[in-house]
Amino acid sequence: KNEVEQSPQNLTAQEGEFITINCSYSVGISALHWLQQHPGGGIVSLFMLSSGKKKHGRLIATINIQEKHSSLHITASHPRDSAVYICAVRSGGNEKLTFGTGTRLTIIP
Amino acid sequence: GAGVSQSPSNKVTEKGKDVELRCDPISGHTALYWYRQSLGQGLEFLIYFQGNSAPDKSGLPSDRFSAERTGGSVSTLTIQRTQQEDSAVYLCASSLLKSDTQYFGPGTRLTVL
Repeated sequence: KNEVEQSPQNLTAQEGEFITINCSYSVGISALHWLQQHPGGGIVSLFMLSSGKKKHGRLIATINIQEKHSSLHITASHPRDSAVYICAVRSGGNEKLTFGTGTRLTIIP
Repeated sequence: GAGVSQSPSNKVTEKGKDVELRCDPISGHTALYWYRQSLGQGLEFLIYFQGNSAPDKSGLPSDRFSAERTGGSVSTLTIQRTQQEDSAVYLCASSLLKSDTQYFGPGTRLTVL
């Protein structure tokens, strides 16, 4: 079992829909990152969180430390949100990130 | 301002040759990370540099891989005697401080024939 599991692996939705991507992990962590990778490969860090909730524009990230679970939400989804979303966790008192396998999101106009 | 840059953007080499991949982090960033993304696989951590501290090399897959960071700025990842399984995109990231938001470079796509 991977330390970091994401679901779903693939998600296709219509423009305007509310999107939820889930990340579960099996170890104690010091921080969780959400990353976005567009076709062509560029990776952008969306959020880094260790508790509670963060919001940036139409994106919201939440984390429940007790349940070892995080969600990334996208409101009013748009075709430009189409990308792979990757969850990564930092644990063990070091800087090493362990990555999930990503969720491929496609938003259809 | 300039982001993280990597060179070359693409590298094709023959099995058994050595390659050097370069990363220029954002100026002033003290932490630098190398990752690898193989086709069909997720990202994996390779090595981490923080200031003048000894690097965390725990992710390097074999002793054919090494990296250095000179003057706390530019970093070079060297792969000796390349193998076909080394084919991947090698990504560099930097952050202002350790445990901070990471900024990723565009990556170097390495193909070993």
